[in-house]
Amino acid sequence: DAKTTQPPSMDCAEGRAANLPCNHSTISGNEYVYWYRQIHSQGPQYIIHGLKNNETNEMASLIITEDRKSSTLILPHATLRDTAVYYCIVSRSGGGADGLTFGKGTHLIIQP
Amino acid sequence: DGGITQSPKYLFRKEGQNVTLSCEQNLNHDAMYWYRQDPGQGLRLIYYSQIVNDFQKGDIAEGYSVSREKKESFPLTVTSAQKNPTAFYLCASSIRKPATNEKLFFGSGTQLSVL
Repeated sequence: DAKTTQPPSMDCAEGRAANLPCNHSTISGNEYVYWYRQIHSQGPQYIIHGLKNNETNEMASLIITEDRKSSTLILPHATLRDTAVYYCIVSRSGGGADGLTFGKGTHLIIQP
Repeated sequence: DGGITQSPKYLFRKEGQNVTLSCEQNLNHDAMYWYRQDPGQGLRLIYYSQIVNDFQKGDIAEGYSVSREKKESFPLTVTSAQKNPTAFYLCASSIRKPATNEKLFFGSGTQLSVL
């Protein structure tokens, strides 16, 4: 699976959009971009994933650049409960055969 | 409610003692996983199982053992050979459908500490 690079931490004001970047310059054609988040002392939670088209669900939007070398997770109206570590993962299968590789992620802090 | 249940939430191990962490899922998922997380770090894969009675080592299997006698259960034993067992342990599961994208569903974790 391709390696990803994320900033270690970010701040965002409550009510504003939180934009979390991820670089994955070595991504291959059959690899998907996944995002999970982990609230302190809990298990990670799936957010969204995509291949090359932008995706949106009830939690967030995922914007993938045309060359697929980077992506941005957007939380449109951040709340205090969105404070968590966000993991960007690139994988062919999403885990299936042998799990996912979780790096250190981005610690997003939502400020009141 | 469907989900993954890990128990206990907190566990203490004495030197030289084996301890077993429980993981049960009622999602009817084929695959189950154990991860270890140290403070400020990402998750590292210990063991995974794609089907009953079969399992494979992950990146850091030394000092750990698992069994998969039932589809819904995947207990992890931390043996006395694991010299630095203090960590947060996470169990996960996923559907095993070939050539599809799978999500991992995680339990709430067990914090293991050495006395």
